[in-house]
Amino acid sequence: EPEVTQTPSHQVTQMGQEVILRCVPISNHLYFYWYRQILGQKVEFLVSFYNNEISEKSEIFDDQFSVERPDGSNFTLKIRSTKLEDSAMYFCASSDLGETDTQYFGPGTRLTVL
Amino acid sequence: QKEVEQNSGPLSVPEGAIASLNCTYSDRVSQSFFWYRQYSGKSPELIMSIYSNGDKEDGRFTAQLNKASQYVSLLIRDSQPSDSATYLCAELGSNYQLIWGAGTKLIIKP
Repeated sequence: EPEVTQTPSHQVTQMGQEVILRCVPISNHLYFYWYRQILGQKVEFLVSFYNNEISEKSEIFDDQFSVERPDGSNFTLKIRSTKLEDSAMYFCASSDLGETDTQYFGPGTRLTVL
Repeated sequence: QKEVEQNSGPLSVPEGAIASLNCTYSDRVSQSFFWYRQYSGKSPELIMSIYSNGDKEDGRFTAQLNKASQYVSLLIRDSQPSDSATYLCAELGSNYQLIWGAGTKLIIKP
């Protein structure tokens, strides 16, 4: 069964550094998403991406964040100048054009900012 | 601002009993709702989606939607210890983003 994959599973970085979180969505899916979940808190929407552009972003997704689809398979989230409060699980999800409401989640990347 | 509310629990249910999980939402025009299960340290896993008033059954799971009262519920019949997890309710936003509740922690006691 096709699945969303994410790398790395755990990323440790120093405050102020840049990190890139990588996702490979399900191959025929056209909508891509990033969510985050701070430990003990609810899942929060960050950004959605369709047709090579951002279709929606939350107020969390400020200039510190960017997304890119550098090739036909990867979808990345870049966090510049990381802060302690960026420590969280980051989940990538994708959905099909025909059933845009069913999102399939990757296993997540745990980001720890020291 | 759309909001989804859930009781954080924990909800403790004996093995074999019915677990009932509830969720309310603020936007009267919302159309699509989802129940996800999340084990500790893992990603959300879709259990069911529901779009129409009434009940939708899938195996041991039944989702219920009442748009007039703006609530969604999930019933789990014949609860098993493996059902112990946090159950997340979510609604679909206008640009297909999911808006999440905080989740209800369910504990099934053997």
